[in-house]
Amino acid sequence: GNSVTQMEGPVTLSEEAFLTINCTYTATGYPSLFWYVQYPGEGLQLLLKATKADDKGSNKGFEATYRKETTSFHLEKGSVQVSDSAVYFCASQTQTGGTSYGKLTFGQGTILTVHP
Amino acid sequence: EAGVAQSPRYKIIEKRQSVAFWCNPISGHATLYWYQQILGQGPKLLIQFQNNGVVDDSQLPKDRFSAERLKGVDSTLKIQPAKLEDSAVYLCASSLGQFNQPQHFGDGTRLSIL
Repeated sequence: GNSVTQMEGPVTLSEEAFLTINCTYTATGYPSLFWYVQYPGEGLQLLLKATKADDKGSNKGFEATYRKETTSFHLEKGSVQVSDSAVYFCASQTQTGGTSYGKLTFGQGTILTVHP
Repeated sequence: EAGVAQSPRYKIIEKRQSVAFWCNPISGHATLYWYQQILGQGPKLLIQFQNNGVVDDSQLPKDRFSAERLKGVDSTLKIQPAKLEDSAVYLCASSLGQFNQPQHFGDGTRLSIL
């Protein structure tokens, strides 16, 4: 079946440090890949996406590249801010069986805390 | 555009009681999803609707959970009777539907079972 594995957290960084959160997936076919962010007490917000191999998704200084050969979609940011403190979820979306509709499978989430 | 609306934000009930959650998706989004997010875990899909038809409910505990989406817009998720292990955040999401389209989430309902 489909699954997503994220690096264990929590991750604690100082402001302006470099961030990497690893994500690997297993899926049948060619999934679309997403990173979502969840701030305390809120729902998930789409951070970035990539829909095919070698695509790079980017938003708010975050980037992730769809690597089919390593089945990975690692999240990176060159200089984190305190306001980036949140939980980050990697997710793959495949077709719901027999349809063209999407079905998300999430990783377990990585808690990021950034200190001033 | 307005986002996905959910209510209530919080609910506390005793085990064996019933509870219902409501969701209004983004206008024009034909696909609606309900997820259960247990503390410290990623969301788990409970049920997926396309318009008012069920596309996938394979992980919905049908002995106690039910959901409907009348007229293909708003949706309600019900738990009856609730168990302690149902304590979680229940998230509603909507999308245009195709598998390369992102899902947009509401803020969720935090359910606590005493």
